[in-house]
Amino acid sequence: GAGVSQSPSNKVTEKGKDVELRCDPISGHTALYWYRQSLGQGLEFLIYFQGNSAPDKSGLPSDRFSAERTGGSVSTLTIQRTQQEDSAVYLCASSLARINSPLHFGNGTRLTVT
Amino acid sequence: AQTVTQSQPEMSVQEAETVTLSCTYDTSESNYYLFWYKQPPSRQMILVIRQEAYKQQNATENRFSVNFQKAAKSFSLKISDSQLGDTAMYFCAFKANSNSGYALNFGKGTSLLVTP
Repeated sequence: GAGVSQSPSNKVTEKGKDVELRCDPISGHTALYWYRQSLGQGLEFLIYFQGNSAPDKSGLPSDRFSAERTGGSVSTLTIQRTQQEDSAVYLCASSLARINSPLHFGNGTRLTVT
Repeated sequence: AQTVTQSQPEMSVQEAETVTLSCTYDTSESNYYLFWYKQPPSRQMILVIRQEAYKQQNATENRFSVNFQKAAKSFSLKISDSQLGDTAMYFCAFKANSNSGYALNFGKGTSLLVTP
């Protein structure tokens, strides 16, 4: 079956521009997560969506970051006025809403801000 | 707060040998799960093995096994008969019910190199 799909795979943008990253989760997975992985670092939690509930945005690093999930499926992470420190791999994951359900990850989007 | 610590940034092992990656965590939760993920250069995060905190028996998946010491809050990964394809970053992760649903808390990872 299809896994988690992310697009684009790579994105190069100029400082100050806005970018949108897309995530298409596994069908039937109600939970969706965004993580950021900076060079040589672990995964930093950004935001969590569960069904139609209000998302948990506690991990978003600044108000330039936002995300939405339309129709309980596809999610878009938007970074406004990008800065060089935003350069990282952005990983999306989805899972069933159970504690024992593992997260299934996409291949990520590598964002480079020049 | 729940933290996950991987104290070995880099490790190396020869093909066919055994290697153990260490992980410790800190939590006040009683019900939680622990995971090891592998991330090869392709960036794909691949689930290697998972352990339920209330199970005393250590999880095993083929060449991969864990040594789960609940009292010590330790969760090490043993890779037997290492293969070149095991070269990757390995992340230990912790999961409990929280405001962030069932988000995983990750350690900073251990880079494993398997040499011929």
